[in-house]
Amino acid sequence: DADVTQTPRNRITKTGKRIMLECSQTKGHDRMYWYRQDPGLGLRLIYYSFDVKDINKGEISDGYSVSRQAQAKFSLSLESAIPNQTALYFCATSEYAGTSGGITDTQYFGPGTRLTVL
Amino acid sequence: AQKVTQAQTEISVVEKEDVTLDCVYETRDTTYYLFWYKQPPSGELVFLIRRNSFDEQNEISGRYSWNFQKSTSSFNFTITASQVVDSAVYFCALSEGVYSGAGSYQLTFGKGTKLSVIP
Repeated sequence: DADVTQTPRNRITKTGKRIMLECSQTKGHDRMYWYRQDPGLGLRLIYYSFDVKDINKGEISDGYSVSRQAQAKFSLSLESAIPNQTALYFCATSEYAGTSGGITDTQYFGPGTRLTVL
Repeated sequence: AQKVTQAQTEISVVEKEDVTLDCVYETRDTTYYLFWYKQPPSGELVFLIRRNSFDEQNEISGRYSWNFQKSTSSFNFTITASQVVDSAVYFCALSEGVYSGAGSYQLTFGKGTKLSVIP
């Protein structure tokens, strides 16, 4: 089974609808992230969470909200979807590598959710 | 200014040719990490390598090799004897600020290079 799963894998919705994308992980990592990928733009960070009680905005959080229901679950919501939110959405996880100098954590990505807003 | 530049948008090579994907980065930090990810046509993102700024040794893993040069702020990726299965979009990414006390949290991605390996 995959370590990081995302549901749904594909979703088509209409403008104004509320949408929730879900991410679950079995890696035991404490950190989770949501990114969106647009053609030719690479990936951009939407929100990230260091633990259940910690939520932080990323580069492009407007129009999105998140919920960290448990260490293993991190959901992304679009309260009122609009067409320019059509994109490929990725969840990622990482394990905190500690505060010793020169250490960072590697992020591992889920399979992605392709969202189309009509 | 872009922090991570992958100037090659698309590259096509014939199978068994060698190919190098370029990555140039920009940072003021003295400690940082660089990554390469692969995104095959199926869409998932696969982690390939992580390299910290203190380790300039080149790395080789099978047909893959990476050349890190701080003097030119580059972290290039070479595939030797390319195969059709190497066809994918490859992303270079930068992680800064590891001395923040909270560890690194944000990857800045380049826009990716699409590699097509023709049989």
